[in-house]
Amino acid sequence: DQQVKQNSPSLSVQEGRISILNCDYTNSMFDYFLWYKKYPAEGPTFLISISSIKDKNEDGRFTVFLNKSAKHLSLHIVPSQPGDSAVYFCAAYHAEYGNKLVFGAGTILRVKS
Amino acid sequence: NAGVTQTPKFRILKIGQSMTLQCAQDMNHNYMYWYRQDPGMGLKLIYYSVGAGITDKGEVPNGYNVSRSTTEDFPLRLELAAPSQTSVYFCASSPGPGELFFGEGSRLTVL
Repeated sequence: DQQVKQNSPSLSVQEGRISILNCDYTNSMFDYFLWYKKYPAEGPTFLISISSIKDKNEDGRFTVFLNKSAKHLSLHIVPSQPGDSAVYFCAAYHAEYGNKLVFGAGTILRVKS
Repeated sequence: NAGVTQTPKFRILKIGQSMTLQCAQDMNHNYMYWYRQDPGMGLKLIYYSVGAGITDKGEVPNGYNVSRSTTEDFPLRLELAAPSQTSVYFCASSPGPGELFFGEGSRLTVL
């Protein structure tokens, strides 16, 4: 039972344009969502997060949007840079499930220069 | 700043062999985790710990064991290795809910 889904295995965008990575979840109990970025041969690194009481969180070029009614969140990267090329994982947790993140399968982002 | 350190980075095992993946963190985090990542899949939680002496199963614990005798160390033991355990293993730690700090990963192949 995949509670966090990233339905696009890969995404390719031109440098300077917007990258939009999507994530859907099934468990309405999730109250915190995170995005992680992973380069080859490295561990994932935290990128940005959002609480379920918010619908938007921004950090520089990265913005995460949360639509609770649709159980959907998205990560916007503007403008995209070649160094953003990586695998992006969406993750979520809720207090009743303890401090255990549930991860999506990841989306490979390629930014072309 | 070492952060989370995993050893070994690569290992090839024969079916039926056993081994231990080591994980150490120097951030004084109470929470530690072991995840595995298979191709095209997200990270699946194997075991986690909320403090020294306390461990609990995650989503995919079968074939693994852990111990947490100190705050710093959280080794993962594979008993009787099987081809299904071929994966990349990530150890992580966190001070509390949310943001996990990951190690670089250990790539294990079971032949």
